[in-house]
Amino acid sequence: DIVMTQSPDSLAVSLGDRATINCKSSQSVLYSSNNKNYLAWYQQKPGQPPKLLIYWASTRESGVPDRFSGSGSGTDFTLTISSLQAEDVAVYYCQHHYNTPHTFGQGTKLEIK
Amino acid sequence: EVQLVESGGGLAQPGGSLRLSCAASGFTVSTNYMSWVRQAPGKGLEWVSIIYAGGNTYYADSVKGRFTISRDNSKNTVFLQMNSLWDEDTAFYYCVREAYCGGAICYSPHWGQGTLVTVSS
Repeated sequence: DIVMTQSPDSLAVSLGDRATINCKSSQSVLYSSNNKNYLAWYQQKPGQPPKLLIYWASTRESGVPDRFSGSGSGTDFTLTISSLQAEDVAVYYCQHHYNTPHTFGQGTKLEIK
Repeated sequence: EVQLVESGGGLAQPGGSLRLSCAASGFTVSTNYMSWVRQAPGKGLEWVSIIYAGGNTYYADSVKGRFTISRDNSKNTVFLQMNSLWDEDTAFYYCVREAYCGGAICYSPHWGQGTLVTVSS
């Protein structure tokens, strides 16, 4: 099974500052057939299901603010929030879809400093 | 509009069974890839199981042999039969519609609100 490891486990950032969350997979999640990384990022607020933010490592889901961006390839990925807003307080998860099981990272809790 | 509504959660005794349902609307489950993901209270997300459009099924090691995913095309509903429940199965269970692109399942755009399963004596 592919193990997904996020860092840090928690993060406190001032409003308007940049937030960066990392995700590392134990093996590559890059499909050579289409050169796509099968890595997605989700945001989960209390009492709500997860919401898809980014797929294919860097493609923003429709309706997601452009302050959210994803980068990386192979085994190392990053979610960046360019200018933190109060409504971004949440737990963020990465997940791979390279093969089953589609494992998740342990989550990163993002708070306001 | 895609909607997923889970039901069937509740209290079960250790060793007992429950059957979760996920009623789908806005699309056809028989031609889609459907998963279950769970989340223990205050914990992270855990992928549980998936049923492919073609009918193949896969499970996390933690539930293999105890849980069974299935669907009823006439009711446009996906099920998760959970047997031999343990305390560790206590969680919110989310039904998920997967996106299929580039020849593979690529991400999870649609989630239900979840149903809570509590395993306790």
